[in-house]
Amino acid sequence: NAGVTQTPKFRVLKTGQSMTLLCAQDMNHEYMYWYRQDPGMGLRLIHYSVGEGTTAKGEVPDGYNVSRLKKQNFLLGLESAAPSQTSVYFCASSYSNRGGYTFGSGTRLTVV
Amino acid sequence: AQSVSQHNHHVILSEAASLELGCNYSYGGTVNLFWYVQYPGQHLQLLLKYFSGDPLVKGIKGFEAEFIKSKFSFNLRKPSVQWSDTAEYFCAVNARTGGSYIPTFGRGTSLIVHP
Repeated sequence: NAGVTQTPKFRVLKTGQSMTLLCAQDMNHEYMYWYRQDPGMGLRLIHYSVGEGTTAKGEVPDGYNVSRLKKQNFLLGLESAAPSQTSVYFCASSYSNRGGYTFGSGTRLTVV
Repeated sequence: AQSVSQHNHHVILSEAASLELGCNYSYGGTVNLFWYVQYPGQHLQLLLKYFSGDPLVKGIKGFEAEFIKSKFSFNLRKPSVQWSDTAEYFCAVNARTGGSYIPTFGRGTSLIVHP
């Protein structure tokens, strides 16, 4: 089983460029999440989805957009990248809204 | 809003020493509690979870945690650590906010175990 797959694994962007991070899960999970991890800050929730076609804002949503057109995929978009968005991005999914998340291996994004 | 505090940011131990990592949360309602581990360069993996029932929860790799409701705490313990336990440990709380359960992670504790 692949679990949660994130692509790409690494990316360098110039300020102002756009990109989309893809998260795909093959466990038929309803709930999906996007986090960013920064040193000393732990994981902070960007956006989440409680099912196909639904999205909601988390703790740090500014500068990001998401879409969940298919149940298995959760896309994170950066329309105009800024250096402050340099981070490691993790996607997670869960069978239940009560938790017990399966995480992807992360995307390391650098904005220069 | 709920919050999660991990008091130990960095812990350094020798092999065979006992470990206790503190985790406190602020939320008065029903919570689900988790500990995750992140080995260097890897993603987070679930160590153990508490939903209800016995407040002493046993997880993988010899870890356990105790939920003390009156203290809003969920401390992680291991009686004898190994070099391979070197990792970052995150406490997480999932609490009902409005109509949804919103997960919140602590800032993490970096554990270094010397052989």
